[in-house]
Amino acid sequence: AQSVSQHNHHVILSEAASLELGCNYSYGGTVNLFWYVQYPGQHLQLLLKYFSGDPLVKGIKGFEAEFIKSKFSFNLRKPSVQWSDTAEYFCAVGGATNKLIFGTGTLLAVQP
Amino acid sequence: ETGVTQTPRHLVMGMTNKKSLKCEQHLGHNAMYWYKQSAKKPLELMFVYSLEERVENNSVPSRFSPECPNSSHLFLHLHTLQPEDSALYLCASSQDGQENTEAFFGQGTRLTVV
Repeated sequence: AQSVSQHNHHVILSEAASLELGCNYSYGGTVNLFWYVQYPGQHLQLLLKYFSGDPLVKGIKGFEAEFIKSKFSFNLRKPSVQWSDTAEYFCAVGGATNKLIFGTGTLLAVQP
Repeated sequence: ETGVTQTPRHLVMGMTNKKSLKCEQHLGHNAMYWYKQSAKKPLELMFVYSLEERVENNSVPSRFSPECPNSSHLFLHLHTLQPEDSALYLCASSQDGQENTEAFFGQGTRLTVV
């Protein structure tokens, strides 16, 4: 069965600190991988996605993620976070049907 | 604005009430989804409609009844809900059958069952 694990449920960082949020998935087939972000009071929006090609994916707002097939991982990174990055981050995996399976989410709080 | 609009934004209902959640997408997509977002749980996929046919129902209780009258509209009819059904209900749409597509989400309906 498809599943997604996000290891960090709650992360607190100071501004300018580096961020890495873990995501591991279980899926028997070609995967599409996504990170979505939900800012307070707003809708889920796409941060970045991987379908094929370069395993290092650049997204909006300076975020990037690396697909490591051997580790079934798709960790999200940002070298220097800002207060405005405070949000909940969701990793998701999808297959050919585009049905998305989500992780539990990681709540990031950035302190000014 | 994502092109996916959900109404109402907030809903409080008693356990004996009947209400409906509405979702409308303006993206020309052919697949629509209902997700349930509860605290400290993964987003749960409830229903999938592709080309207006229900293609997935993930063991959702019958007190939740979806309806997809056309490719732009999706409803979730609610009746005799339980307090544990209180959650954020999210609608999403995508273009099924097309590679490299993504899902677009509405802002959700915050449901409280009292």
